[in-house]
Amino acid sequence: NAGVTQTPKFQVLKTGQSMTLQCAQDMNHEYMSWYRQDPGMGLRLIHYSVGAGITDQGEVPNGYNVSRSTTEDFPLRLLSAAPSQTSVYFCASSYQGSGWGTDTQYFGPGTRLTVL
Amino acid sequence: LAKTTQPISMDSYEGQEVNITCSHNNIATNDYITWYQQFPSQGPRFIIQGYKTKVTNEVASLFIPADRKSSTLSLPRVSLSDTAVYYCLVGAVHTSGTYKYIFGTGTRLKVLA
Repeated sequence: NAGVTQTPKFQVLKTGQSMTLQCAQDMNHEYMSWYRQDPGMGLRLIHYSVGAGITDQGEVPNGYNVSRSTTEDFPLRLLSAAPSQTSVYFCASSYQGSGWGTDTQYFGPGTRLTVL
Repeated sequence: LAKTTQPISMDSYEGQEVNITCSHNNIATNDYITWYQQFPSQGPRFIIQGYKTKVTNEVASLFIPADRKSSTLSLPRVSLSDTAVYYCLVGAVHTSGTYKYIFGTGTRLKVLA
């Protein structure tokens, strides 16, 4: 199993540009999520999905869109990049459990994004 | 959500035992406690999980007192390679029939030679 994969590894954008960060998992996990991590900071939840066709907002959803058309893929779209979105983005997946914290989150290697 | 409080940072020397405590006063009856480890430039990875008393695996031990309002991650005889950020995650936030995982700021452990 490749686990959780993310592309690209690095990306530089100019202010106002749009792009899509890709995330895929081959573990048949229903639950997927996106986090951002600013330098020296913790993880902040952007969006999450409990299954194909179902998405919801996390702590910091503004400026980002997501969709979930398949179980395997959960792309994150930046609509109009801003310097404040410079960060490392992590995708995670897990089984759809009870929600009491028993589901192990598997994280991807991250995408380092710089917005000029 | 059982909000968690951890020390921001800790320093230790190689060979010492390190204990990182997480406070979660509002933990729900069904919540499990999970610790993740994040090395620089990598995504977090699962270390250990528990509900009560003590759990031990090949990497760490997790101590949870009877009232479950705190938990302690114990790393025996740390090495330089244990330098990482450690996150305590307790349960999930339940909203509108679904749930989401909110991580805190974590504890930045630096192991010195």
